[in-house]
Amino acid sequence: EDQVTQSPEALRLQEGESSSLNCSYTVSGLRGLFWYRQDPGKGPEFLFTLYSAGEEKEKERLKATLTKKESFLHITAPKPEDSATYLCAVQEGDRDYGGATNKLIFGTGTLLAVQP
Amino acid sequence: NAGVTQTPKFQVLKTGQSMTLQCAQDMNHEYMSWYRQDPGMGLRLIHYSVGAGITDQGEVPNGYNVSRSTTEDFPLRLLSAAPSQTSVYFCASSRPGDTQYFGPGTRLTVL
Repeated sequence: EDQVTQSPEALRLQEGESSSLNCSYTVSGLRGLFWYRQDPGKGPEFLFTLYSAGEEKEKERLKATLTKKESFLHITAPKPEDSATYLCAVQEGDRDYGGATNKLIFGTGTLLAVQP
Repeated sequence: NAGVTQTPKFQVLKTGQSMTLQCAQDMNHEYMSWYRQDPGMGLRLIHYSVGAGITDQGEVPNGYNVSRSTTEDFPLRLLSAAPSQTSVYFCASSRPGDTQYFGPGTRLTVL
């Protein structure tokens, strides 16, 4: 069964204290892995897409990496405004309707709190 | 470019009532989907559509209906609301195989 597991469930950091969030997955064929940020009362906001093992992407203090079994979201010198829930999702590699299926399987998220 | 919009933002229903959650996108995306988000469960796919006139079931479709008469709109209907449908509902859209962009959500409470 396809599954996405995120850890830890919650993480509290001091401002400037770097850390990593983990997303491990089991899926029959990975087409893409997505990271989203979600603020309270808002919809998920897209951060990164990773397609193949070894790929890395960066945006400000965030860096996402991908292996064949997991992805990491590294947060370098976080600031209080980085506080949010970070969601990981995988897109299956089955192809139908003339292209890739868009179905996403989400993890339960990591709630990050960065204290000043 | 408004992106993905959802109405209403909040709704309270009584058990057995029906209602429609609205979703619209102005990005000409072919793919649209509905998710529900519950504490500790993550986002779960309810229904999705790969284009006007084509819909299919996701992981948790029971109690919900959808239709897609235009590219822009993808309403979600609750036929007879139940307390188990208390949740936050998100609509998303994308091009085929591409990143999904989410709306702001509808928070639904069924008493």
